[in-house]
Amino acid sequence: NAGVTQTPKFQVLKTGQSMTLQCAQDMNHEYMSWYRQDPGMGLRLIHYSVGAGITDQGEVPNGYNVSRSTTEDFPLRLLSAAPSQTSVYFCASSYVDGYTDTQYFGPGTRLTVL
Amino acid sequence: GENVEQHPSTLSVQEGDSAVIKCTYSDSASNYFPWYKQELGKRPQLIIDIRSNVGEKKDQRIAVTLNKTAKHFSLHITETQPEDSAVYFCAFGGNNRLAFGKGNQVVVIP
Repeated sequence: NAGVTQTPKFQVLKTGQSMTLQCAQDMNHEYMSWYRQDPGMGLRLIHYSVGAGITDQGEVPNGYNVSRSTTEDFPLRLLSAAPSQTSVYFCASSYVDGYTDTQYFGPGTRLTVL
Repeated sequence: GENVEQHPSTLSVQEGDSAVIKCTYSDSASNYFPWYKQELGKRPQLIIDIRSNVGEKKDQRIAVTLNKTAKHFSLHITETQPEDSAVYFCAFGGNNRLAFGKGNQVVVIP
């Protein structure tokens, strides 16, 4: 199994540009989520999904959109990038069974917005 | 959002000594408490976790203890080694929703 994969690894955008960060998992996990990590801030939840067709907002959702058309994929869209969105983005997945909450993280995408 | 505090923010220990990191949480309904280790430039990886119906769990040199009354849980690393140097994040929650602490930098001095 490849686990959780993310593309790209690095990205530089100009203010106002849009892009999509890709996330995929091959563990048949129902739950997927996106976090951003900033220095000294830990991991903050952006959006999450408990299954295909279901998404919800996390702690810091503004400026980001998500969709979940398949169990495997959970892309994160930046519609109009801002310098405040410069961060490292991690995707994570886990089972939803009321017992196993272990989240598996992808390798991350380092995004710089100029 | 949920409130979680980690102390100390930075911890330096001599190789072979023990390291203890404490995490305080706010939500008394939380039932799942994991610890993640993150090396520089890498993804967070689960090292140990505990559920609210257990007070202590151990895995080789790593242990986690939970005090539900005081709402804190701690990570214990014994016989520290240079490869233990990393940032450690606590988290709490349940039903897949986790709130993460800001992390503790652990430096093991050879």
